[in-house]
Amino acid sequence: GGIITQTPKFLIGQEGQKLTLKCQQNFNHDTMYWYRQDSGKGLRLIYYSITENDLQKGDLSEGYDASREKKSSFSLTVTSAQKNEMAVFLCASSIVGGSNERLFFGHGTKLSVL
Amino acid sequence: QQQVRQSSQSLTVWEGETAILNCSYENSAFDYFPWYQQFPGEGPALLIAIRSVSDKKEDGRFTIFFNKREKNLSLHIKDSQPGDSATYFCAASENSNNRIFFGDGTQLVVKP
Repeated sequence: GGIITQTPKFLIGQEGQKLTLKCQQNFNHDTMYWYRQDSGKGLRLIYYSITENDLQKGDLSEGYDASREKKSSFSLTVTSAQKNEMAVFLCASSIVGGSNERLFFGHGTKLSVL
Repeated sequence: QQQVRQSSQSLTVWEGETAILNCSYENSAFDYFPWYQQFPGEGPALLIAIRSVSDKKEDGRFTIFFNKREKNLSLHIKDSQPGDSATYFCAASENSNNRIFFGDGTQLVVKP
């Protein structure tokens, strides 16, 4: 078995601040994803990466940057935190990246912006 | 336009009843439909999935019924238990690309 580790678990930021969220997986999966989950809403795709150094935009990429430094890690940067923003950011990975593959999720990073 | 819709934001049933969670989708090219279960403070986890060539998939107390013509599906949870209380996400994807689309989720509460 494997695990996806997201750090930090909780992140409190100030308006306008640049914030970075990290994700590590030891499944040796090719594809990694970042999703945003707002209360009462589904998961919206921010960025995904099908291999090291690859980046693909999702539906919600504006206001975010991402980086796939190596196969096992995928980081997400909020370029300018919005006041009163509150959401959970979920990292996921899958084997080949075909949409029919199973996604494995981390436990999330909960962001609050003061 | 939302690609996957779940008809109820929340559902409450009594222990032992069958919970029915409904889902519909827009894109006829979708051919894979997983359901993910999420407990508070955790990430979603795959519960059960069906491909569009089938109209039913069963795994223990969980069954997916799929209607390709109507573009809808439902998740039935038989003999619901309080431990089934969670948020359930319907999702859909097309084999030709890496995208998977999620519904907004249905929060299920099973009362003892």
